[in-house]
Amino acid sequence: DAGITQSPRYKITETGRQVTLMCHQTWSHSYMFWYRQDLGHGLRLIYYSAAADITDKGEVPDGYVVSRSKTENFPLTLESATRSQTSVYFCASSPLDRRYNEQFFGPGTRLTVL
Amino acid sequence: AQTVTQSQPEMSVQEAETVTLSCTYDTSENNYYLFWYKQPPSRQMILVIRQEAYKQQNATENRFSVNFQKAAKSFSLKISDSQLGDTAMYFCAFIIIQGAQKLVFGQGTRLTINP
Repeated sequence: DAGITQSPRYKITETGRQVTLMCHQTWSHSYMFWYRQDLGHGLRLIYYSAAADITDKGEVPDGYVVSRSKTENFPLTLESATRSQTSVYFCASSPLDRRYNEQFFGPGTRLTVL
Repeated sequence: AQTVTQSQPEMSVQEAETVTLSCTYDTSENNYYLFWYKQPPSRQMILVIRQEAYKQQNATENRFSVNFQKAAKSFSLKISDSQLGDTAMYFCAFIIIQGAQKLVFGQGTRLTINP
């Protein structure tokens, strides 16, 4: 029962490079989300997806691209990494059933952009 | 705009004491859920407790309980008989029932339980 996994767990890259963070969930949840966590800001939503091939912007989408060709995967790409994108990134998922609205989080990826 | 404010960046108490973490939020919606998430040093986000806004009764989960004041838009978390394992960052969050399932988080409160 893997649940929701993220890879890599740690990544160091340089300014201007393209980076892709992977997220995989085994529950077949409809919704998937990407958040970034920064000191003083809590978690902020970058992008979310309601189903395969349906994505939408969150609060801080600039500089990021997402895709969702399969229900279980939701990769996040930084097309040209900047130092301001140094952060901890969390992927989350939730089922279509809205009775509880709970989101289940992955372990996070710490990204450092030099 | 929908916002969540946690006014206590850090708190520290002795083991076995009771501690209350504050949270206020702002939304024009009437139907929503409120949450407290715990983030220990492992970074894993763990759901502590959930409150449906349409319920007047405050939610409880073992040593964790909330004081939900809908009119005041206040949602505080009380931890009774605190334990060393309660040391963590605590985030208050809410989600609108109708809509895109987007969680809005507060800035977090770093809680330290001292032996």
